Amino acid sequence: GAVVSQHPSRVICKSGTSVKIECRSLDFQATTMFWYRQFPKKSLMLMATSNEGSKATYEQGVEKDKFLINHASLTLSTLTVTSAHPEDSSFYICSARQGRDQPQHFGDGTRLSIL
Amino acid sequence: GQQVMQIPQYQHVQEGEDFTTYCNSSTTLSNIQWYKQRPGGHPVFLIQLVKSGEVKKQKRLTFQFGEAKKNSSLHIPATQTTDVGTYFCAGQTDKLIFGTGTRLQVFP
Repeated sequence: GAVVSQHPSRVICKSGTSVKIECRSLDFQATTMFWYRQFPKKSLMLMATSNEGSKATYEQGVEKDKFLINHASLTLSTLTVTSAHPEDSSFYICSARQGRDQPQHFGDGTRLSIL
Repeated sequence: GQQVMQIPQYQHVQEGEDFTTYCNSSTTLSNIQWYKQRPGGHPVFLIQLVKSGEVKKQKRLTFQFGEAKKNSSLHIPATQTTDVGTYFCAGQTDKLIFGTGTRLQVFP
């Protein structure tokens, strides 16, 4: 089945640090990748939609200068949390799909803790 | 904006009891997807429903898509401890919006 790899799985860093999270589709080409954020015991909130070779589309309320997304190839998207603060601590999950109306396949998630 | 609500928020059952979660969208969907997330894990795709009124079975799980393509349900008869987790529906329009989730706890 379709495999999506997300790295790192866990990050603990100091306030003010920038953190990069990678999302790779291992056995298929992902025309679209998605970045979600999940707070404890809550649902997944879509942050942005990333299409290969074009600018990401951010959801309302998500700061694009804070959460930089790059989708340079059909198998890789990155999310950089710039100048992270404790309130950015969360579980970040990426997903990828081959085409519209295809199911999304999720990475294992990255648990980000900012001290 | 588009909203997808699920009820109940929590369900605690004795092993062997039935479980159903209901999903309602504020807008008509092109398809609906269901995911299961175990504690500490990531969402795992279960199934996708596309047609109005569609009913699909996957092992012990039965999924239904409403006639208006705005609601859906997941039913598990005779739950087992392995069914524990949070079940999310996700409604597809121009983007996939996750429901609020139903957390299922099964007591042996």
